[in-house]
Amino acid sequence: QQQVKQSPQSLIVQKGGISIINCAYENTAFDYFPWYQQFPGKGPALLIAIRPDVSEKKEGRFTISFNKSAKQFSLHIMDSQPGDSATYFCAASIRSSASKIIFGSGTRLSIRP
Amino acid sequence: NAGVTQTPKFQVLKTGQSMTLQCAQDMNHNSMYWYRQDPGMGLRLIYYSASEGTTDKGEVPNGYNVSRLNKREFSLRLESAAPSQTSVYFCASRPLGTEAFFGQGTRLTVV
Repeated sequence: QQQVKQSPQSLIVQKGGISIINCAYENTAFDYFPWYQQFPGKGPALLIAIRPDVSEKKEGRFTISFNKSAKQFSLHIMDSQPGDSATYFCAASIRSSASKIIFGSGTRLSIRP
Repeated sequence: NAGVTQTPKFQVLKTGQSMTLQCAQDMNHNSMYWYRQDPGMGLRLIYYSASEGTTDKGEVPNGYNVSRLNKREFSLRLESAAPSQTSVYFCASRPLGTEAFFGQGTRLTVV
């Protein structure tokens, strides 16, 4: 019940295209869903996050879509650029709890020029 | 403002050796975490500390011990290193209700 399942494991997108990464969770107590971006040799850093009281959040070219009934959320990267090439992790946690954050298994995204 | 600082950045150990990975945060966060990252397996939680003086096991605690020395510092100890512990280790800290902040990682190789 604590798992967060992420797909695909790797993704290749042409420059200018749309990158889509999907995640699904099981624990309905989760109420905070961040996405992290990680470049080689660096630690993960927050990219964008959503709470389940909204169905979509957009920041620049990055959008999270959230489907509470299906317990799924996804990251969309519009107009993908070579600089977006990185590993992306979805995650889930409970805001009122200091306990653990559960991460997906990661997606390695490559944007081809 | 350094954020989360991990030392060392790289380490090579022989099987059976022990070592301690250090982590310190200067953001006054209550919660701190240790993760390991392996190819295709994402970030797996080893131990976490919800607040100073408390520690709890995560998903993969076997072979590790932790100490929450004070609010700033959370160390991870390998008592008898094994090749299966070759990984990249990340420390993170988090205030209640928001995202985690990660260190730069420690790349550990056990030969």
